[in-house]
Amino acid sequence: ETGVTQSPTHLIKTRGQQVTLRCSSQSGHNTVSWYQQALGQGPQFIFQYYREEENGRGNFPPRFSGLQFPNYSSELNVNALELDDSALYLCASSLAFRDRVAGYTFGSGTRLTVV
Amino acid sequence: AQTVTQSQPEMSVQEAETVTLSCTYDTSESDYYLFWYKQPPSRQMILVIRQEAYKQQNATENRFSVNFQKAAKSFSLKISDSQLGDAAMYFCAYRPGNTPLVFGKGTRLSVIA
Repeated sequence: ETGVTQSPTHLIKTRGQQVTLRCSSQSGHNTVSWYQQALGQGPQFIFQYYREEENGRGNFPPRFSGLQFPNYSSELNVNALELDDSALYLCASSLAFRDRVAGYTFGSGTRLTVV
Repeated sequence: AQTVTQSQPEMSVQEAETVTLSCTYDTSESDYYLFWYKQPPSRQMILVIRQEAYKQQNATENRFSVNFQKAAKSFSLKISDSQLGDAAMYFCAYRPGNTPLVFGKGTRLSVIA
């Protein structure tokens, strides 16, 4: 059983650029959530995907978007990067069954630095 | 708004001793889950223990146990026989029903040999 894999592990981008972060879900999981963890803070929910559709979103602007693929892997895209987007981005997968979500398995995150 | 408060930014404990990390939360829900996650320098969030709100019995996982006080909306984590490997950031998290996790700001735990 594989865990959650995120790539890349570290990334440096320039303000105004676009970035794509990737996440491979744990085998058997059908739901993926993305969180932003700023330095010294707890993770903040960005959005969640279930069966390739977004089914929940936190307080993040539209320039944060995502995709979930048929194999349940996922991408997080951020357009027009701002300095405040510098953070650790965590992906978590889980298994949703009858509208109930079981426990989450987290990846090790992507550290994004915007300069 | 649903919030999770961890009032101790940093804690330290001697190896083999016991330490308690505090967490309070604000909710009007009756059906929810509570979690403690550990985040070591590797950055991966590791589930330590979980508690269903409808269960009155406090959850226990080996050296880790919780004191769940539903009326007071308190959910503290006790680590017994602390080990050097317990040093990490600890996050309390709350999930009402089927919604995403809401995290506190974390407590940095140091273990002194």
